[in-house]
Amino acid sequence: DAGVIQSPRHEVTEMGQEVTLRCKPISGHNSLFWYRQTMMRGLELLIYFNNNVPIDDSGMPEDRFSAKMPNASFSTLKIQPSEPRDSAVYFCASSLDLGGKGHHEQYFGPGTRLTVT
Amino acid sequence: QKEVEQDPGPLSVPEGAIVSLNCTYSNSAFQYFMWYRQYSRKGPELLMYTYSSGNKEDGRFTAQVDKSSKYISLFIRDSQPSDSATYLCAMSASGSARQLTFGSGTQLTVLP
Repeated sequence: DAGVIQSPRHEVTEMGQEVTLRCKPISGHNSLFWYRQTMMRGLELLIYFNNNVPIDDSGMPEDRFSAKMPNASFSTLKIQPSEPRDSAVYFCASSLDLGGKGHHEQYFGPGTRLTVT
Repeated sequence: QKEVEQDPGPLSVPEGAIVSLNCTYSNSAFQYFMWYRQYSRKGPELLMYTYSSGNKEDGRFTAQVDKSSKYISLFIRDSQPSDSATYLCAMSASGSARQLTFGSGTQLTVLP
């Protein structure tokens, strides 16, 4: 059973370029999360979707960041234009959220290591 | 002040040692407490999950939650070099388990 799939695994780009990160969640999961991890700030939630609908995007740092989930098996995180301070590891995670109380384990992908020069 | 504070580490111990990893938090609404393990250049993976206060044991790992002190711990007995990783605590409030607040992580190295 495949886990969360992310592509590319590594991305090096120049400042000002558009960057698109891709995620395929675990089949059957209905919640998807995008995180950013840096040494300085740790793991930060950027946005999460439930049933393909963005529920909370308060973690998106600025308008240069946008995320979409056109269907249950695919999501993108786009940065346009990219800046050196966007350099980080970006993780996608998915979970099965049946609503109500209770813990819903999040399964993380391997991450995309982004370097903006 | 961050909502979740985690001992910064890094922590280096000899093989076989008992390891104690800790987090404190300020949000009294947190009810679900987790420990994630993250190997180098990998995504975090869930290691332990505890609801409310108390202890939970799984093999060499024990998770403790003290809600009165807003303090959680992860103990690793008979530590192995394969335990070398970054350990992140995470927690969420009841009814919003879909969102986790993570600690900054403690990097652990177990020396053979």
